[in-house]
Amino acid sequence: DIQMTQSPSSLSASVGDRVTITCRASQTITTYLNWYQQKPGKAPKLLIYAASTLQGGVPSRFRGSGSGTTFTLTISSVQPEDFATYYCQQSYSTLWTFGQGTKVEIK
Amino acid sequence: QVQLVQSGAEVKKPGSSLTVSCMASGYTFTAYYIHWVRQAPGQGLEWMGWINPNTGATNYAQKFQGRITMTSDTSISTAYMELRPDDTAVYYCAREVVRISGSPLGKALLYWGQGTLVTVSS
Repeated sequence: DIQMTQSPSSLSASVGDRVTITCRASQTITTYLNWYQQKPGKAPKLLIYAASTLQGGVPSRFRGSGSGTTFTLTISSVQPEDFATYYCQQSYSTLWTFGQGTKVEIK
Repeated sequence: QVQLVQSGAEVKKPGSSLTVSCMASGYTFTAYYIHWVRQAPGQGLEWMGWINPNTGATNYAQKFQGRITMTSDTSISTAYMELRPDDTAVYYCAREVVRISGSPLGKALLYWGQGTLVTVSS
């Protein structure tokens, strides 16, 4: 299976900060990389697919980049509603895998 | 609008089996893969597998091979997952962004069910 590793596992940020989360794949996945946001007690929400395509309705402060094995999710100016856990997920293989998650907390 | 509505919470004894359902509406059920994702309390997301509702073809994560069975009933636009849970978790069904015949770059989970909590307790 392709292993997905996110860093950091958690971070603290103030409203307005720029936040960057990294996701690394154990082998190349070209751009078959998706990002989700999950809030407590809720189903995950798709933010970005194909590494950099913003899902409709997602604010433009979210940006995805990368290809191959290293990817980043950037929130340009984190807002109160962005405090949540973020997961990357690869769909390159027929056996999908998620990263372990990154919890973004309020400083 | 697209909706995935899952069956309600269950309490099961260790070693017993159950079936979770996922009723789809608002789109052509047979045109999109349905995936299942597991989340233990306080833990991350774990992909379990998918089913092609049109053909019945399935693909399971290695960890769950032999422990889960995904099926679908196209007459009522419902996907099912039979499992024998070892521990408590929430199970989600989810639909991909693009149709089965669409671009592989759209292979992401856009629509999600509300989740079904399965509590394992003796």
